[in-house]
Formats: sequence, structure tokens, C-alpha cells
Amino acid sequence: IQLTQSPSSLSAYVGDRVTITCRASQGISSYLAWYQQRPGKAPKLLIYAASTLQGGVPSRFSGSGSGTDFTLTISSLQPEDFATYYCQQLNSYPLFGGGTRVEIK
Amino acid sequence: QLQLQESGPGLVKPSETLSLTCTVSGGSISGSSYYWGWLRQPPGGVPEWIGSINYGGPTYYNGSMESRVTVSVDTSKNQFFLNLRSVTAADTAVYYCATSLVNPDNWFNPWGQGTLVTVSS
Repeated sequence: IQLTQSPSSLSAYVGDRVTITCRASQGISSYLAWYQQRPGKAPKLLIYAASTLQGGVPSRFSGSGSGTDFTLTISSLQPEDFATYYCQQLNSYPLFGGGTRVEIK
Repeated sequence: QLQLQESGPGLVKPSETLSLTCTVSGGSISGSSYYWGWLRQPPGGVPEWIGSINYGGPTYYNGSMESRVTVSVDTSKNQFFLNLRSVTAADTAVYYCATSLVNPDNWFNPWGQGTLVTVSS
């Protein structure tokens, strides 16, 4: 299985709605997690099981999708959200997508 | 709450063995629900899973490194370990320890802060 994230990078303003896509090369049901990684820090779990928000994560983050197509949405981008985001498949060999870097416009 | 901390040499010579320790606090490493894992991330690259161990249960490895990797546990010290043999420059990365649950709940949370290991003579 391969996980392809798009775009690989994007520029956005504070307050923008941002959507990141993760596509699996074959169906993985809802077995997907999303992480945020700030520079010099470890990845931080945001969402698991495609749409379940990890405790303590702001509600502006949401996840959706099943099968092969998944999205991570940030409803109103905040300054602390500028980071790189990764998807990871669950229920199998732990594999990560190529990442999406979110930069300030 | 669980906290993990990596430790070990920051510089390893080519062909030698990379050895790292992860110290777990806030919970017992002998808990049957948890897997204790190692991941790495090369500079500017993507996280890559190396292997995971469940105390009293199976150990799983990334097939691309399986012949060189051993993950083990010491419950008396609440620590787990990574040994990666015959390293090359391609093994230069930030190495993380992290915990996960059994499939299908095998997301990684929490992670340690990471430790940079450079392979160079």
C-alpha cells in the first residue's frame, strides 16, 4: 500500500480554510491517522480512525474519508498551525504519507 | 500520563551498531495493551517505522531493516531498546520512540522528543 498526500506544500493566510488530501493505493477502510509536526519537534497525533479527534486537539481540525480517499481540514488556520502534516495507515504495517508543509502566505 | 525519552550516542561509525534506549515513565512497560516502538526520520524526510515490541507478545519489524534490527525490553528498568547493526550513512536520522496499541489502533501516541544519530567516521 502507498499513501500519497497532496499538495506537498501550500501557502495560506491566518484564518483560511485548509484541506489536505491523503490517497491510499488500495482501500484501508477508516484505518488512518493524521499527525502535525512542527520544526524540531516530534510528530503529534491529531486524528485517528480517520475522523476521531485526539483529546486536547482544537476542534478546528477535522478528518473525513474512508476507503482510499481521506482529508484533513483546518477550518480557520491559526499561527501555530504552520507545520508539516502526515497521514499514517493503521491496522497494518505502519506507513506514512509524504507530508504536506503548510506555510504562511 | 505516559512519557518517553530516548538516549544514546549521537555519533556512530559506519559498519558499527547503533544502540538506543527509551525510558518510559507514567506507566508500566509490561502492560499487555501497549506496543513500544521505534521510528526514525532522516533530515528533511518522512517518518519511517522500524519495529515494535509487546511485552510477552510478538515483535514486529520493518521488512526493509529486519535483518539488522533488534528491539528488546527490560521491565525492571521500564526501558526498551533499539539495536541497528551494520549502519551506513543512510541510517543518519532523528530516532524516536513511541507507543501504540494493538491493530487496528496502532497510531503512535505519545512520542519521545527524538534523538539525532549521525553515522560518520
